[in-house]
Amino acid sequence: GDSVTQMEGPVTLSEEAFLTINCTYTATGYPSLFWYVQYPGEGLQLLLKATKADDKGSNKGFEATYRKETTSFHLEKGSVQVSDSAVYFCALSAPNTGFQKLVFGTGTRLLVSP
Amino acid sequence: EAGVAQSPRYKIIEKRQSVAFWCNPISGHATLYWYQQILGQGPKLLIQFQNNGVVDDSQLPKDRFSAERLKGVDSTLKIQPAKLEDSAVYLCASSTLGHQGTEAFFGQGTRLTVV
Repeated sequence: GDSVTQMEGPVTLSEEAFLTINCTYTATGYPSLFWYVQYPGEGLQLLLKATKADDKGSNKGFEATYRKETTSFHLEKGSVQVSDSAVYFCALSAPNTGFQKLVFGTGTRLLVSP
Repeated sequence: EAGVAQSPRYKIIEKRQSVAFWCNPISGHATLYWYQQILGQGPKLLIQFQNNGVVDDSQLPKDRFSAERLKGVDSTLKIQPAKLEDSAVYLCASSTLGHQGTEAFFGQGTRLTVV
């Protein structure tokens, strides 16, 4: 079945460091790929998405590129801030579910210190 | 635009008691989801509605969990009787009808503690 695998956390960085959170997926066909973020005490919110191979999603300085050949969608940011501390979830929706069922990874906690 | 509303935010019950959660999705969203998020894990889909019909409830423990979406708008998720392992955050989400890149919008969740 469809699945998402994320690197385990926590990821601990100093402010202004470079961030990479790895995500790989297994799915039938060409899924849509998402990164959701969950700040402390809040619900999940969409950070960025990509719907076809080689698409790059970007938002708030975060980027991720849909790599079909490596089935990956790694999240990157050039310079993290303390306010980026949160849990990040990689997710997919697959064409065999009409793109209506989100499958999530286990989440990666990011801790950024001043 | 108002977001997805959930209540209550927190609930503590004893095992074998019953509990109900309520969700009001974004106006006009045909699809409504209930997810269970156990501490340290990603959200797991419990049930998905399209309008007032069930699309997927394959991971809903039907011996104790039930859900309904009356009139295709609000939804209620019930657990009866609760077990210790039901302690989790219950997330409601809604979206428009599915197509490539359809985004789901999430409520703040209900944190359930079963003691």
